[in-house]
Amino acid sequence: DAGVIQSPRHEVTEMGQEVTLRCKPISGHNSLFWYRQTMMRGLELLIYFNNNVPIDDSGMPEDRFSAKMPNASFSTLKIQPSEPRDSAVYFCASSSDRVVLFFGSGTQLSVL
Amino acid sequence: QKEVEQNSGPLSVPEGAIASLNCTYSDRGSQSFFWYRQYSGKSPELIMFIYSNGDKEDGRFTAQLNKASQYVSLLIRDSQPSDSATYLCAVNRNAGNMLTFGGGTRLMVKP
Repeated sequence: DAGVIQSPRHEVTEMGQEVTLRCKPISGHNSLFWYRQTMMRGLELLIYFNNNVPIDDSGMPEDRFSAKMPNASFSTLKIQPSEPRDSAVYFCASSSDRVVLFFGSGTQLSVL
Repeated sequence: QKEVEQNSGPLSVPEGAIASLNCTYSDRGSQSFFWYRQYSGKSPELIMFIYSNGDKEDGRFTAQLNKASQYVSLLIRDSQPSDSATYLCAVNRNAGNMLTFGGGTRLMVKP
């Protein structure tokens, strides 16, 4: 299995632009997580899906952030409009048991 | 108080020594405890997990859990320079809940 696949690996954008991050979980995994990692705040859970349904989005910082999982093999995290404080590494992770997480390589987002 | 606390380090140990990484958590209802390793610029990867009080060994790694003291640790025996990374402690309340991560401890193993 190729593991969790995220794209793009790097994204540089200007403040106010829309950013879309993509994730393909491991086949057969029914849970998907979006995390954000910064030096100041560490690894923070943004949202968690189980069987394509959002279960907990309490970690989403504000309405500018939205996430979707239209099917079992694809999820997006969208930021609109983006701000410099959104700069971070965004990780997607999937799991078959909601306990052991397998992380993707991450997207390094820089908002100028 | 943070839910999961770790000393950010860096913790520096000589090659061949035992590295001891510590983690405390605030939620007494926590049931599962995990150690992830993250190399610089890479994603976290699971090293091991522990559910019961006591020790759990896997190769050079030993996880120790003391629920009464709300304390979990990771021992790395015969430390190697390749063990140099940030080690993240994570806990969750039960299988239906999400992992909460600590800030991580940076370990440096010097040849």
